[in-house]
Amino acid sequence: AQKVTQAQTEISVVEKEDVTLDCVYETRDTTYYLFWYKQPPSGELVFLIRRNSFDEQNEISGRYSWNFQKSTSSFNFTITASQVVDSAVYFCALSEARDDYKLSFGAGTTVTVRA
Amino acid sequence: GAVVSQHPSWVICKSGTSVKIECRSLDFQATTMFWYRQFPKQSLMLMATSNEGSKATYEQGVEKDKFLINHASLTLSTLTVTSAHPEDSSFYICGLAGDYNEQFFGPGTRLTVL
Repeated sequence: AQKVTQAQTEISVVEKEDVTLDCVYETRDTTYYLFWYKQPPSGELVFLIRRNSFDEQNEISGRYSWNFQKSTSSFNFTITASQVVDSAVYFCALSEARDDYKLSFGAGTTVTVRA
Repeated sequence: GAVVSQHPSWVICKSGTSVKIECRSLDFQATTMFWYRQFPKQSLMLMATSNEGSKATYEQGVEKDKFLINHASLTLSTLTVTSAHPEDSSFYICGLAGDYNEQFFGPGTRLTVL
């Protein structure tokens, strides 16, 4: 069964628009971590954020913000005032204590920001 | 975060040959490294977990005799694709576990088997 669901396959926006990427996860563990990674066209994965299951505080880092809601098992990611350089594939991932903290990736969302 | 390098960044080989991919941790002692495979427009699939000084742990469906993993030191893990075939063509990515359960990834190796 898919542990991480990213329902949006592709999102296309015009520069300066906000874009929100959805991530829904499934786990029976009480201790787990959630991540977002960016994969630009070059292919190299860039770590964006880690959030543990005990910390539901939302986070903002520059134009990026994350909304973690355990009640809905969601960990959504918003890019504010998008730029062309934000064009990439974004992966949400889950690691669980019961699985030795191996990463399970979602299918990814391709974001295209047009000038 | 940790800096991870991979070599080569791309390789083209003939069917039946073996290819070795190196993954190096440049500034972090990695007791655990991971190998992933990513087909075009798909997500990353974990192939195996590489532990320094011991045998790798392979995910279900991954042939350990075909994908040989060696993690001889805290800074180097290698993946050898033996007797490669066109269906092995893929993007291979290594990752290492950081101090807080995050993973840092190498730039990837694109393998094309003719």
